[in-house]
Amino acid sequence: DSGVTQTPKHLITATGQRVTLRCSPRSGDLSVYWYQQSLDQGLQFLIQYYNGEERAKGNILERFSAQQFPDLHSELNLSSLELGDSALYFCASSLGQAQETQYFGPGTRLLVL
Amino acid sequence: GIQVEQSPPDLILQEGANSTLRCNFSDSVNNLQWFHQNPWGQLINLFYIPSGTKQNGRLSATTVATERYSLLYISSSQTTDSGVYFCAVFQGNYQLIWGAGTKLIIKP
Repeated sequence: DSGVTQTPKHLITATGQRVTLRCSPRSGDLSVYWYQQSLDQGLQFLIQYYNGEERAKGNILERFSAQQFPDLHSELNLSSLELGDSALYFCASSLGQAQETQYFGPGTRLLVL
Repeated sequence: GIQVEQSPPDLILQEGANSTLRCNFSDSVNNLQWFHQNPWGQLINLFYIPSGTKQNGRLSATTVATERYSLLYISSSQTTDSGVYFCAVFQGNYQLIWGAGTKLIIKP
């Protein structure tokens, strides 16, 4: 158990809908990262937050947004969902904001029908 | 951006065999992580290894940053070692760039 929790574990929804994925980092970790793992694109970095502020953006679509709250949990919002958004979404956390070991949660498996 | 290549893409071994997985990267990196994704999808940290050699039980890893590669050794394989092994390198301070993975199947 990495100490990073993600909810829900599974999510099935329809095209055009909006969903929110939640992540709680390990105790004491200030950075949260979001990654998407799809069959055709592999694992891709989406976005990073450090202590409530956005620090880095990767291949995140404009339909996706995220935030980190004062209690350091983070939410990833996916809107106007398309079939191609079906993927495994991982949250990771690390202590600081530089190159450190990232610990991954169990992931949320999203299926868009 | 940095390119990360892993080889072989697939590996099928009998229980008890040893294996070496390779990760090549296209540019200088300061840090690299190895992960195991088990059949249930969970990503498990194996090593954080910017350079040198580290060992953890039957697993060990070596990174030669100057030559832009890292190796993961698995000795005396067990069926629970099955899954996909990823290496990921840091681009900039925050972003992990991932290889495509090596899918390992250990047969009993």
